[in-house]
Amino acid sequence: EIVLTQSPGTLSLSPGERATLSCRASQSISSRYLAWYQQKPGQAPRLLIYGSSSRATGIPDRFSGSGSGTDFTLTISRLEPEDFAVYYCQHYVSSPATFGQGTKVEIK
Amino acid sequence: QVQLQESGPGLVKPSGTLSLTCAVSGGSISSSNWWSWVRQPPGKGLEWIGEIYHSGSTNHNPSLKSRVTISADKSRNQFSLKLTSVTAADTAVYYCARVNDYGGNDYWGQGTLVTVSS
Repeated sequence: EIVLTQSPGTLSLSPGERATLSCRASQSISSRYLAWYQQKPGQAPRLLIYGSSSRATGIPDRFSGSGSGTDFTLTISRLEPEDFAVYYCQHYVSSPATFGQGTKVEIK
Repeated sequence: QVQLQESGPGLVKPSGTLSLTCAVSGGSISSSNWWSWVRQPPGKGLEWIGEIYHSGSTNHNPSLKSRVTISADKSRNQFSLKLTSVTAADTAVYYCARVNDYGGNDYWGQGTLVTVSS
């Protein structure tokens, strides 16, 4: 089973700041099968990024994804008030398609 | 616009069977997509349960061992989850979702809370 480890656990930032979230895989994975989600309280997750760097439909361009091998990054260039939420990465290389434990982006 | 809606009992007794259905509208489960189940215990992270293709092929999380069955009903355009021998640890919000070509879950149901309690 591929384990995804996200860091940091919590990121305290102000609106307008840049957020950098990390997702590290326990073994090298194809970047084609790495996704990022945003989840707000009481809501289902929303797909932000798939294929490690492609934005899903309707996702603003302040969200970007990058990485390869074992290290992947989600960057939010300038935080908007609606971006404060929990973010998860997920791989789809093999079964089980595990999620990382999440990074909470909170208002400083 | 693809929409998914979970349904099923919100309360299941310990050692019983959890049964949920996901109705799909605006799209067909016979399309070239996999369809998945994901759960989230209260206050915790996301756990992938498994997935099904319209042909009947399935994959599931080994951590749930042989307790999971995922099936599809093409005539009703829905797919289902059964989880047997449930315990309090299976209390969670259960989501169904569509898997896109890159493995990302691009459409999600709103989720349904299932509580395991006597």
